[in-house]
Amino acid sequence: AQSVTQLDSHVSVSEGTPVLLRCNYSSSYSPSLFWYVQHPNKGLQLLLKYTSAATLVKGINGFEAEFKKSETSFHLTKPSAHMSDAAEYFCVVSVMNTGFQKLVFGTGTRLLVSP
Amino acid sequence: EAGVTQSPTHLIKTRGQQATLRCSPISGHTSVYWYQQALGLGLQFLLWYDEGEERNRGNFPPRFSGRQFPNYSSELNVNALELEDSALYLCASCIRQGNQPQHFGDGTRLSIL
Repeated sequence: AQSVTQLDSHVSVSEGTPVLLRCNYSSSYSPSLFWYVQHPNKGLQLLLKYTSAATLVKGINGFEAEFKKSETSFHLTKPSAHMSDAAEYFCVVSVMNTGFQKLVFGTGTRLLVSP
Repeated sequence: EAGVTQSPTHLIKTRGQQATLRCSPISGHTSVYWYQQALGLGLQFLLWYDEGEERNRGNFPPRFSGRQFPNYSSELNVNALELEDSALYLCASCIRQGNQPQHFGDGTRLSIL
């Protein structure tokens, strides 16, 4: 069975400091992993995806994530936080089964950015 | 490229009424997924449509239903509305091949009074 654990429900940083949002996954198969961001009253926007190519994945808005199979982790990082990064972030495992794409969502991490 | 569009943005109904939510996928995407995001419950998978057919449904009662049209747009219908149906309903589209990411719309906020 597949599962995702986001280790922090809230993360607070100051503008200009690094961001680290932690995600551990469990999957019986070689997983596809995504990070999405959700701003208030908006849908989910894809930040980046891992689909068994390079283990270091670069996404939009300066975010990147590193797939570490030995640690079953897919942590999201950004060198310098911006006020506009304040949002909810979801780590997602994707599993295909006869064409059906089952997305297993983490519970989310709310990122708070202070000036 | 236009993204996934959903309408209406907000919908207010009373208990027992029926609601219809609409979704237009990204051009070229044949699969449409519906999710419910209720406060405190996270994102729950509702329905999957592909090539005009319902292919899979989540653990929701039959009063949640929908359809997909020949142009791949989709409707979600919720009958006999209950207070607990209040949520953000998100539609996502993707191509069926490979494990490609789903692209989400901004959702319809359904409020039941």
